[in-house]
Amino acid sequence: DAGVIQSPRHEVTEMGQEVTLRCKPISGHNSLFWYRQTMMRGLELLIYFNNNVPIDDSGMPEDRFSAKMPNASFSTLKIQPSEPRDSAVYFCASAPTSGIYNEQFFGPGTRLTVL
Amino acid sequence: AQSVAQPEDQVNVAEGNPLTVKCTYSVSGNPYLFWYVQYPNRGLQFLLKYITGDNLVKGSYGFEAEFNKSQTSFHLKKPSALVSDSALYFCAVSDQAGTALIFGKGTTLSVSS
Repeated sequence: DAGVIQSPRHEVTEMGQEVTLRCKPISGHNSLFWYRQTMMRGLELLIYFNNNVPIDDSGMPEDRFSAKMPNASFSTLKIQPSEPRDSAVYFCASAPTSGIYNEQFFGPGTRLTVL
Repeated sequence: AQSVAQPEDQVNVAEGNPLTVKCTYSVSGNPYLFWYVQYPNRGLQFLLKYITGDNLVKGSYGFEAEFNKSQTSFHLKKPSALVSDSALYFCAVSDQAGTALIFGKGTTLSVSS
């Protein structure tokens, strides 16, 4: 199994540009999570999906952030327009059952730098 | 609201010595507790979890954690540290309502040879 796949691994963009982060969960997992990690705020849950449906998006910081999961094998996190304070490492994770009581499998992360 | 605290930013131990990484939590109901480890430039990896049952939970790489309900703690332990254990460790908590996992700030473990 390839694990959770994220792309790109690194993204450098300029303020105001649109950024799209991509995630492919582990096959058969039906829960997917997007996290953001910064030195100041640590690891924050942005949104999570169960069976492709968004369950909790209360962690999404602003309307500039949006996430979709069009099918069981793909999800995107979009930031439009991006700002320097969005610079962080963004992780995607998936879990094999509904709910969050089982272990989550994390991808390698996307390091985003907004200049 | 649920929360988790890791009171130490960094823990330093010598190889071969026992290690403890501390975690305390606050939830409204019964806690679901997790430990994850993060190596440089990598995603988090699951170590162990407590849902119910025996208070001493054993996990990957020789780690274990003890659930203490009266002290609302879930400290991570290992009897003999290895240099390769050096990493960032996260404690996480949820309650029975199925709300999101809340992660602590993380504790950097440094094991010297």
